[in-house]
Amino acid sequence: QVQLVESGGGLVKPGGSLRLSCVASGFIFSDYYMSWIRQAPGKGLEWISYISTGGSTTYYADSVKGRFTISRDNAKKSLYLQMSSLRADDTAVYYCARGGGGFVWFDSWGQGNLVTVSS
Amino acid sequence: DIQMTQSPSTLSASVGDRVTITCRASQSISSWLAWYQQKPGKAPKLLIYKASSLESGVPSRFSGSGTGTEFTLTISSLQPDDFATYYCQQYNSFSWTFGQGTKVEIK
Repeated sequence: QVQLVESGGGLVKPGGSLRLSCVASGFIFSDYYMSWIRQAPGKGLEWISYISTGGSTTYYADSVKGRFTISRDNAKKSLYLQMSSLRADDTAVYYCARGGGGFVWFDSWGQGNLVTVSS
Repeated sequence: DIQMTQSPSTLSASVGDRVTITCRASQSISSWLAWYQQKPGKAPKLLIYKASSLESGVPSRFSGSGTGTEFTLTISSLQPDDFATYYCQQYNSFSWTFGQGTKVEIK
């Protein structure tokens, strides 16, 4: 079955960096567009980044543009989110999600990974 | 950016009730709308895509309708497992936004 497993979260100081990973199984990873979506504690969902199947096209929400970088390694069936210049308002659970209908909706999600930005 | 507004924010209902949640887009999104269910501490789960298509494995008591700027999610007969928070999500020009969520509580 489709499985997305995230790792790499934790506590980081403001201004610091962190790299999230998401390993896929149960489907042909290279055939799917992927995204990162986050949820601040007690808040709603916010899409933050998208990457095409080959990795050549990426998009970002304004809230993370210039600070976060999405990438993928299809050979390793892995998705990444490099986060830098982290701020307190980046504190959230981060989900990787598989694009459905091409990339219009999100049909499978990882379990979520908490990133806490605090001094 | 397209804004999505859900109503109500909270809904109190009983098992067996018919429940309707509304989602409005700030501009037309055709049928590029999805609905998700999220339970505490869990990832969201896709229920409906392309406004009215039921995701595989989702009970038929869930249905979606609408096009353009106004959409609804209906649960025909609320079950104990359905108490959760529901989100709508739109897609437009490589930008995705979610509604603020509707929490369905036990009355």
